Amino acid sequence: KNEVEQSPQNLTAQEGEFITINCSYSVGISALHWLQQHPGGGIVSLFMLSSGKKKHGRLIATINIQEKHSSLHITASHPRDSAVYICAVPESTSGTYKYIFGTGTRLKVLA
Amino acid sequence: AAGVIQSPRHLIKEKRETATLKCYPIPRHDTVYWYQQGPGQDPQFLISFYEKMQSDKGSIPDRFSAQQFSDYHSELNMSSLELGDSALYFCASSLRGAYNSPLHFGNGTRLTVT
Repeated sequence: KNEVEQSPQNLTAQEGEFITINCSYSVGISALHWLQQHPGGGIVSLFMLSSGKKKHGRLIATINIQEKHSSLHITASHPRDSAVYICAVPESTSGTYKYIFGTGTRLKVLA
Repeated sequence: AAGVIQSPRHLIKEKRETATLKCYPIPRHDTVYWYQQGPGQDPQFLISFYEKMQSDKGSIPDRFSAQQFSDYHSELNMSSLELGDSALYFCASSLRGAYNSPLHFGNGTRLTVT
């Protein structure tokens, strides 16, 4: 069992749909990153969450620390949102941190 | 704003050759992480450095070594390259390894071993 699990693994949506990607983790401490990777591209950090909810444009991220669960929502999805979305959780080791990555959710938004 | 710089962007090597990848973190970031992402796979943690000392080690082969220099840039040295080493290698940086420090990624170095 992966320490950081995402669902769904693959998602195809029509333009304009509301999208939810989930991340559950069994390791780490009270923070989580949502990352975006476009095909063949680099990784961009979308959110860093330690509690509650954050919003940036059409993206909303929520986290429940007690349940070790986070969700990434995309409102009014657009084809340019097509990418892999990855959650990453820092795990403390010897006073510093390494990041454990989720399995990624491959999103394709159709026009 | 300055981002994490990785060089080269692309690298083609033959089997058994050596490769060196470089990472220049965000200014004032003192922690560097290296990740390897094979085709269609999640990034896998290789190694990290904090204040020029190795702080954690992941699934890094013995053929690979890395270090962080006094200016905080880091180099990943890969020897006796194998076909399976073909991957995208990411570097990320953060401040003091703090869990609530934003994590910044470079654009990666795509290594192809032929």
